[in-house]
Amino acid sequence: QVRLQESGPGLVKPSQTLSLTCTVSGASISSNPSYWSWVRQPAGKGLEWMGRIYPNGNTYYKPSLKSRVTISLDATKNQFSLKLTSVTAADTAVYYCARATYYSDRGTYFDYWGQGTLVAVSS
Amino acid sequence: DIQLTQSPSFLSASVGDRVTITCRASQVISNYLAWYQQKPGSAPKLLIYAASTLHSGVPSRFSGSGSGTEFTLTINSLQPEDFAIYYCQQLNSYPITFGGGTKVEIK
Repeated sequence: QVRLQESGPGLVKPSQTLSLTCTVSGASISSNPSYWSWVRQPAGKGLEWMGRIYPNGNTYYKPSLKSRVTISLDATKNQFSLKLTSVTAADTAVYYCARATYYSDRGTYFDYWGQGTLVAVSS
Repeated sequence: DIQLTQSPSFLSASVGDRVTITCRASQVISNYLAWYQQKPGSAPKLLIYAASTLHSGVPSRFSGSGSGTEFTLTINSLQPEDFAIYYCQQLNSYPITFGGGTKVEIK
C-alpha cells in the first residue's frame, strides 16, 4: 500500500524558510510515469497546487510562487522535499504531499496523498 | 491560469437524494479533470479522473461527465458518509488548478 507522510516544523517565523519532507512507502519515488507534488490549504479555504517534480528531477512551480519555492527529491531515502523561502502569515496552511499517476492517455491524477501537516507562520 | 468555477458552493441535501455539482473551466481542458472528496481533517480523496472514470474503490453512486469547459459530478442516492467538500481539478495545463469547492451538508 502506498503511503505518504509529511514531516517538518509546525511553526516558522516570518521571513524564514519553511522546509517539509514527504516520505514515501509502498512505492518507489523513482517510478515512472508518476510525479510528486505539494498542495497546500489555508484553514477553511480551498486547495492550492504549488509545484511538482518528476523522478528525473524535472520541476515545475506555480508561477506566483516560483521565486520562493524549491522542490527536490532524494531517491536514496525515497523522499521529496519542499522549501518555501521568505514566508509570511499568508503561507500558514496545511501542506500536503501527493503522488500523481499517469493513467494511459487519460492524463495524470493525484491518487495518493499524505495526511497533511499544519505549518503556522508566526513570530 | 485556468479558472475553475464550481456551483453551487454549498448545498443542503438529504440521505437518498441525487446531487449534482458543476465545474466550469475558463478555457477548454479536454477531459483532463478530476473530482476529489475531502472530509474535515483529512486529505482529499480521488473520486473521478479523466472527467468520467471512476477511481478504484469508489462507490458506483458517484459519476462524472463532461468535456471541454463544463463538467458535472453526480452522486446518486446520497449516503451519510458522502457529506463532505468536493473539489474539481484541471490537469490540462500548468499551473494545475482547483475549483473553490462545494460543501454538501445534511438537510
